[in-house]
Amino acid sequence: DAGVIQSPRHEVTEMGQEVTLRCKPISGHNSLFWYRQTMMRGLELLIYFNNNVPIDDSGMPEDRFSAKMPNASFSTLKIQPSEPRDSAVYFCASSLDRGRNEQYFGPGTRLTVT
Amino acid sequence: DAKTTQPPSMDCAEGRAANLPCNHSTISGNEYVYWYRQIHSQGPQYIIHGLKNNETNEMASLIITEDRKSSTLILPHATLRDTAVYYCIVRVGGDYKLSFGAGTTVTVRA
Repeated sequence: DAGVIQSPRHEVTEMGQEVTLRCKPISGHNSLFWYRQTMMRGLELLIYFNNNVPIDDSGMPEDRFSAKMPNASFSTLKIQPSEPRDSAVYFCASSLDRGRNEQYFGPGTRLTVT
Repeated sequence: DAKTTQPPSMDCAEGRAANLPCNHSTISGNEYVYWYRQIHSQGPQYIIHGLKNNETNEMASLIITEDRKSSTLILPHATLRDTAVYYCIVRVGGDYKLSFGAGTTVTVRA
């Protein structure tokens, strides 16, 4: 199994630009999570999908952030417009059984907004 | 409102056992203890979890005290590749949320 796949691994963009992060969960997993990690705030849950439906988006910082899961094998996290404070590492994770089991994390996307 | 307390850092000699403590004195009866680790520039990795009984898998052992107020993660033979931040997480059974604290930075030295 290839594990959770994220792309791009690194993204550098200018303030105001749109950024799209992509995630392919492990095949067969029905839960998907987007996390953000910064030095100041640590690892934070942004949004949780179960069976492609957003269940908990209370961690999404503001309206500039949006996430979609059009099918079981693909999810996107979009930031529009991006700001320097969005600079962080964004992780996608997937799990079986509504996340009650262990979560498997991808390698992350390091986003830098200048 | 942290549910767990871990030492910020610890060193371990390569080949020796690494014992990582975690205090969770306010744990509830339906809360599990989970351990994850994060190697530099990688995503967090699940290690082990338990409720009451001690648990062992191919990566580590988890020892939970009888009163469940603390636990110890044991890496039996630490290698340089075990250098990472280790997170102890208390999680309600059936809940999807993982709340990562600051963790313990473990450095394995040759």
